[in-house]
Amino acid sequence: AQSVAQPEDQVNVAEGNPLTVKCTYSVSGNPYLFWYVQYPNRGLQFLLKYITGDNLVKGSYGFEAEFNKSQTSFHLKKPSALVSDSALYFCAVRGGDTDKLIFGTGTRLQVFP
Amino acid sequence: NAGVTQTPKFQVLKTGQSMTLQCAQDMNHNSMYWYRQDPGMGLRLIYYSASEGTTDKGEVPNGYNVSRLNKREFSLRLESAAPSQTSVYFCASSVATVTDSGNTIYFGEGSWLTVV
Repeated sequence: AQSVAQPEDQVNVAEGNPLTVKCTYSVSGNPYLFWYVQYPNRGLQFLLKYITGDNLVKGSYGFEAEFNKSQTSFHLKKPSALVSDSALYFCAVRGGDTDKLIFGTGTRLQVFP
Repeated sequence: NAGVTQTPKFQVLKTGQSMTLQCAQDMNHNSMYWYRQDPGMGLRLIYYSASEGTTDKGEVPNGYNVSRLNKREFSLRLESAAPSQTSVYFCASSVATVTDSGNTIYFGEGSWLTVV
């Protein structure tokens, strides 16, 4: 069965500092990995995805994520955090033989001025 | 460009009442999904429909039924609401077929349901 773990409930970072939101996964076959962001009282917005190819994936709003097959991780990163990045971030995985997208429990990112 | 539209946005139900959440997408997507979001639980898949005329159970299907009315619409029904079904419900859609799992899922804005 496929699963996703986001080990941190909350990540706090000062504005201008780099940020990392962690994600590890378990799936049979090739993984398809996604990051979504949710602002208060809103739906989820797609940030980026890894399908194949380059392990470093660039997405919206300056975010990027690094796929590491040996560590089964897909951490979200940004070189310089903004206060407006404060939101709830979800990692998700889909296995190669299913349409089901399974989500992690989410990590709340708080960026302080 | 509407994307995924779900109604109602807010609803309060009494225990035992029934209701249907409606969802429509205008992106000509094949697959549609219903998720529920609960604090500390992330999003959990209730049901999904890989194509018109087919539906499959997700992680938490008990207490729910779905109908894929046509390619555009996918409804979620609570036959006898329970307080445990108090949650935020999200409809989503994607082009994806089983052989193209890299397709992105797009979400509606959510429906806040309270069962008292």
